Parts: sequence; structure tokens; C-alpha cells
Amino acid sequence: AQSVSQHNHHVILSEAASLELGCNYSYGGTVNLFWYVQYPGQHLQLLLKYFSGDPLVKGIKGFEAEFIKSKFSFNLRKPSVQWSDTAEYFCAVTKDSWGKLQFGAGTQVVVTP
Amino acid sequence: GAVVSQHPSWVICKSGTSVKIECRSLDFQATTMFWYRQFPKQSLMLMATSNEGSKATYEQGVEKDKFLINHASLTLSTLTVTSAHPEDSSFYICSARAPGDEQYFGPGTRLTVT
Repeated sequence: AQSVSQHNHHVILSEAASLELGCNYSYGGTVNLFWYVQYPGQHLQLLLKYFSGDPLVKGIKGFEAEFIKSKFSFNLRKPSVQWSDTAEYFCAVTKDSWGKLQFGAGTQVVVTP
Repeated sequence: GAVVSQHPSWVICKSGTSVKIECRSLDFQATTMFWYRQFPKQSLMLMATSNEGSKATYEQGVEKDKFLINHASLTLSTLTVTSAHPEDSSFYICSARAPGDEQYFGPGTRLTVT
């Protein structure tokens, strides 16, 4: 069955630390990949997306992600986190551009001052 | 970015009753809307896809007679949970998109069935 896996359910780190969240998918063929963020009490927002081209994509708020096709991975990174990055992060995959999304379980990130 | 609202944000209903949740795109025309369900500490699970003026397409395992979806206009989709039971208690999230554009998510509706 097609699936999206996020390796960490809960991450705690200090401000200025680097963040990397893992995401693997089990779809075959061409996929479109997304990272969404949900800040406390807010709705899901798009951080970044990959459709094609440069496998290193940059998103909002200093986030970037790298698509590694051979590893079926799309890991999210930020070199130096801030307290305001405390949120839940979801990886998502679709086969058809902006169509039906399959989400990973999410990773709760807590950044301590 | 575009704004999607949901109403109500929180609802409690008694077992056996029906409850309607609205999803509105406030500043764009949404040809497609999606309904998701999220259990505590779990991911969003797609329930159905609705295109304006068409019948919704339900995901496998989702009872279409229990979760009635109506997408009557380009700015409004409704999800009606019929004959609700405690196991229907969950967080329901909608998203909306215009053709070729990203999905914009609503803030969600917390349903508690007593």
C-alpha cells in the first residue's frame, strides 16, 4: 500500500539548533511532494513543494527540503530554528499536482528558548 | 494567501443526531474541495473530494450515506455527519483550491458526539 512515513513524532530542540525532519514515501512513479506546517491554534500552511526540477527546494521562513528519488525521501531542513518554529510539521504526497494529498503522521517540533 | 473558513469551530451533539459543517472559500472560487478527518496525534486522512456541481468522490472505507457532502457553489461545501455516534468524534478539516492552485486549509471543526 502507498504510504508516507515521518520518522520522528516529537522533536525538542533549542533555539539556533539545526532541524532535520525525515519523510519517506512508498509511491512508484512520478510524485509531487509537500511540507505543511500547523502552528498552534492555526490552520495548515504550505511550507514548500517539489514538482520537478532542482531537487533542493526552498520554502518560506528559511526552510528547505531535498528530494532524493533513489531514497524515496523528501527531508525538511532549517539551519537555525527559532522559538516561533514550534509547530507540527506534515509531509504530504500526491500523484497529481495539487490533487488528493496523502499525509504523514506529522512531527511535533518544540523549540525551547 | 487565500482564506478558507469553517463553521462551527467546535460542536457537541447527541448520539443519533446529525450535524452539518460548512467550509467556505472567502476570497477565491474553489472548484474543488477536500474533506479530511484527523484523530488525536494522528495524520489527516482524506475522506472525500468534491467538485462544484458534481457528486463527491469518497475514499475507500468512508460511508457516503453517513458523511454527506454537498458542494453547491464555488465558495461553499458542507459535510453532514448523519446519525452521529461517539466514534465519529474527531477533528474535521476542509481544504479548497482553484484550478492549478494549491490547497488552502480551513481551521478545522472539532466534533464531539455524546
